[in-house]
Amino acid sequence: EVPVVESGGGLVQPGGSLRLSCVVSGFTFSNYEANWVRQAPGKGLEWISYISSIGGTIYYADSVKGRFTISRDNTKNSLYLQMNSLRPEDTAIYYCVLNGGPGYFDPWGQGTLVTVSS
Amino acid sequence: QSALTQPASVSGSPGQSITISCTGTSSDIGVYNYVSWYQQYPGKAPKLMIYEVSDRPSGVSNRFSGSKSGNTASLTISGLQAEDEADYYCCSYTSISDSYVFGTGTKVTVL
Repeated sequence: EVPVVESGGGLVQPGGSLRLSCVVSGFTFSNYEANWVRQAPGKGLEWISYISSIGGTIYYADSVKGRFTISRDNTKNSLYLQMNSLRPEDTAIYYCVLNGGPGYFDPWGQGTLVTVSS
Repeated sequence: QSALTQPASVSGSPGQSITISCTGTSSDIGVYNYVSWYQQYPGKAPKLMIYEVSDRPSGVSNRFSGSKSGNTASLTISGLQAEDEADYYCCSYTSISDSYVFGTGTKVTVL
């Protein structure tokens, strides 16, 4: 059983919106901080957002601040990323990752591909 | 926040040891022990190899080790094997905007 599964990726036009979801199994999700990390095609990893275990603390990378919103529903073991005003440079695989402990990411989902293009 | 600096590529022969450096600043690696390393095969999700500078998760080979000195962290792979050929990324917590920053990535080639 894969513990972290993302969904919601796809092709969207510039300026459009998309909502990514991530379902976690095999973990007590409410005990874990969570993040979204992305990877543009052929490029490196980029951390984009963090949410604390009960959602009271949220951080964003400057590249997505004001456009993306992270949220979670612990009753559904789910993490979300609402992405608005999408740009071609947001094209990437988006990974849902838990904080296995302070300052590190484990486990990772398999990722979901978002393509922003007209 | 700029990415941490890693060499683009490192290579070695089977059985040799290689070291990948990861250079940051006094806002990240220099002040926090929250340095982690990830291995990524093409088309696959990253996998945690080292956390908190030098700790290994259960199941990761003891051929992988991590260290830190000043603003630079290092990942050493000893007894290099063909299966170690992959991309490797470092990551650190940073006090800038309470965020995380990844390294530029290093492609390891086993000759």
